[in-house]
Amino acid sequence: GEDVEQSLFLSVREGDSSVINCTYTDSSSTYLYWYKQEPGAGLQLLTYIFSNMDMKQDQRLTVLLNKKDKHLSLRIADTQTGDSAIYFCAESLPYNNNDMRFGAGTRLTVKP
Amino acid sequence: DAGVTQSPTHLIKTRGQQVTLRCSPKSGHDTVSWYQQALGQGPQFIFQYYEEEERQRGNFPDRFSGHQFPNYSSELNVNALLLGDSALYLCASIFRGALNEQFFGPGTRLTVL
Repeated sequence: GEDVEQSLFLSVREGDSSVINCTYTDSSSTYLYWYKQEPGAGLQLLTYIFSNMDMKQDQRLTVLLNKKDKHLSLRIADTQTGDSAIYFCAESLPYNNNDMRFGAGTRLTVKP
Repeated sequence: DAGVTQSPTHLIKTRGQQVTLRCSPKSGHDTVSWYQQALGQGPQFIFQYYEEEERQRGNFPDRFSGHQFPNYSSELNVNALLLGDSALYLCASIFRGALNEQFFGPGTRLTVL
């Protein structure tokens, strides 16, 4: 497909794990990113993974990459109310590393 | 150490007008990218400036232009505004093209009436 695709909404209970999924467009993408956007704020880089890796863990965050299916996921362990935000998946394109292609974002709501 | 700053925070214009948005990158960063984020969408790459020149451009018309100053700050200009230009405009600063170290500003919310 031409677009980076994400589910629009996800709702979890505080303390549960959240898994946000993304399908990206180009199997040759060099880096894949997860950004967080809180209301009224810019984007905060959470983590990224190089395309030759299949997993990266950083504290409560785990990124899984399936290059064959062009599928990226972000798992947040022990989700807190402060994790409520919009999460964007993005890829940097192999022929133009200055251009990043973003998904439309997944709105994560964490209920107490 | 200040992060990426943008001004103004909000702006209201009418169709056909022109607008200038400003960005100061994070200290030590020499590259600035601009993105347009329409409501409910992810950011779309407009262009990137490095060494005071436009290095790369996304799929945006010539009505969108920019500039980078010797102190690495940048401006985004949009001429002949359309209703569809209403969006959050994000500036991101990078050190020497390392996208894994890209930092975004809070954005300028532009409303075109």
